[in-house]
Amino acid sequence: QKEVEQDPGPLSVPEGAIVSLNCTYSNSAFQYFMWYRQYSRKGPELLMYTYSSGNKEDGRFTAQVDKSSKYISLFIRDSQPSDSATYLCAMTTGNEKLTFGTGTRLTIIP
Amino acid sequence: EAQVTQNPRYLITVTGKKLTVTCSQNMNHEYMSWYRQDPGLGLRQIYYSMNVEVTDKGDVPEGYKVSRKEKRNFPLILESPSPNQTSLYFCASSSPTGTYNSPLHFGNGTRLTVT
Repeated sequence: QKEVEQDPGPLSVPEGAIVSLNCTYSNSAFQYFMWYRQYSRKGPELLMYTYSSGNKEDGRFTAQVDKSSKYISLFIRDSQPSDSATYLCAMTTGNEKLTFGTGTRLTIIP
Repeated sequence: EAQVTQNPRYLITVTGKKLTVTCSQNMNHEYMSWYRQDPGLGLRQIYYSMNVEVTDKGDVPEGYKVSRKEKRNFPLILESPSPNQTSLYFCASSSPTGTYNSPLHFGNGTRLTVT
């Protein structure tokens, strides 16, 4: 079993829809949770970062962490074609090493 | 512009022919790392470096070497490439406080094909 599981998609939704992306994990020592966005032919870039359980909002994006269920989510409201990318969750215990999910490829259809 | 620069972007080579992928960052970051990205397997860490002359193995170090003689450069060396090293490679760096509270900055990748 992988330490971090992420549905690879692909996921296609119409413009304006709410998108939900999820990861589950098995290591209860993970404390820091991140979402990276990767456009085609580019390296990943940090989108959001949260510590422990709870929600964090940044514009149209909301990151949610439920440590009791070992489950994290990224919600995108009012999705735009420019949100089309691969989204990777990542997490760490705080020891420098990041463990990544496999990524979910998202396409927003105009 | 703050960036991580990898070269080359695309590389096709034959089994056994030594190659080096260069990585350079201009952000004065102490932490640097190499990843490979494969379908269904995601990003896996090959090697990382906490500082000059300090390197350590990641999850998939077999068949790779690195060196960190200068803070800005972290080349990835494949002494004898094999077809199973065909992959998309990313170099990344982050600030001294660590990757959990400061973002990893990635290069744009090197697509390597070994025939």
